[in-house]
Formats: sequence, structure tokens, C-alpha cells
Amino acid sequence: QLQLQESGPGLVKPSETLSLTCTVSGGSISSSSYYWGWIRQPPGKGLEWIGSIYYSGSTYYNPSLKSRVTISVDTSKNQFSLKLSSVTAADTAVYYCARDERWLQFGIDYWGQGTLVTVSS
Amino acid sequence: QSALTQPPSVSGSPGQSVTISCTGTSSDVGSYNRVSWYQQPPGTAPKLMIYDVSNRPSGVPDRFSGSKSGNTASLTISGLQAEDEADYYCSSYTSSSWVFGGGTKLTVL
Repeated sequence: QLQLQESGPGLVKPSETLSLTCTVSGGSISSSSYYWGWIRQPPGKGLEWIGSIYYSGSTYYNPSLKSRVTISVDTSKNQFSLKLSSVTAADTAVYYCARDERWLQFGIDYWGQGTLVTVSS
Repeated sequence: QSALTQPPSVSGSPGQSVTISCTGTSSDVGSYNRVSWYQQPPGTAPKLMIYDVSNRPSGVPDRFSGSKSGNTASLTISGLQAEDEADYYCSSYTSSSWVFGGGTKLTVL
């Protein structure tokens, strides 16, 4: 059974960089059919796709966040990571990592449990 | 890339059917048969319920069905059960990105 687990600081200061890692277990991040993505959800609000990465390093980002986002992959560790720079209180959210299927079928079919990141001084 | 439009809330009694709409544009919902629906009970991660407009992943009850007409997709839940009470989100694939709806809170009366 595929599992994803987010890890990283739960508190980040304004103007600093938010950094999270997702560890994938029960399957290989190098599978050819899948991208690996980040989605966030501010408290009490809806979902927002941040971006996705292929094991080769090819990335797609939400245009509204593109200038501040970097997603990278480490196939040797079966992990992928998110960096979001120049954060403000508006970036406070639960951050989910997930498997993003884009081959024979399209959908985000496995999700991590999510991790709350608070931006505050 | 604007969010898809969903009603904030819907409700129904056990055994009834409810439909949640999801309206996009000709650039997302209208252009791709790549609409998915997610169920999110309070305090949990979203769960994929429908992919590619009308397909159910293994394990999702056939009470859940999806459809699309033009720029609007719909999720129908028949035979409502108490356990269906949750937030529901639609999403559309568009130009290598995903766009989500604002979410709909389903209350089972």
C-alpha cells in the first residue's frame, strides 16, 4: 500500500523560506505513470494545487505561486521536496503531498496526512 | 487560472439523492474530460472519489456518480448515508495544471 508522509518545520517566520519533504513508501517514486505533487489548504478554506514533479525532474507549477515555488526530487531516497520563499501569513496552511496520476487516467489518488505550517514571527 | 465554482453547501436526508455542481470554463472543465471529485471529512486528507468525469476508483461505492455537460461537471450521491457528510471538492486538469473548486459542505439531515 502506497504511503506518503510530509515532514518539516511547523512554524516559519515571515519573509523566510518554507521547506517540506515528502517520503514515499510502498512504491517507487520513479514509476513512469505518475507525477508527485503538493497541495495546500488554509485553515477553513479550500484546496490549492501548488505544483507537481516527475521523477526525471520535470515540473509544473501553479502560475500564481510560480515565482516563489521550487519542487525537487531525490529518487535515491524516494522523496520529493517543496520550497516556498518569501512567505507571509497567507501561506499558513495544511500542506499535503500526493501522487498525481497523468497517464491512462487523471487524478490525485494518494495523499499524505498533511502537515500544518504556520507563518508567524 | 480561476477556481472552479461550487455551491457552498447542499443537504439531504438519508436515502435521498443530492447533486453537487462544479462550473468552470471552456479552458478547463469544458476542454478536458479530466474532472475529479474528492471527499474530505473533517480533519482528514481528501480522498479521490471520481476521476476522468465519471470513473470510480476501486472501493468507492457505486452510489457516487459523476457527469459533465459543457463547462459544468456534477457529482451525484444517491442513497445518502450519514457517513457521506463531508466537504466535497471538484478539480479539473488544465494545461498541465490542476484547478480546484471552492468546496461544498454536504450535510446529511
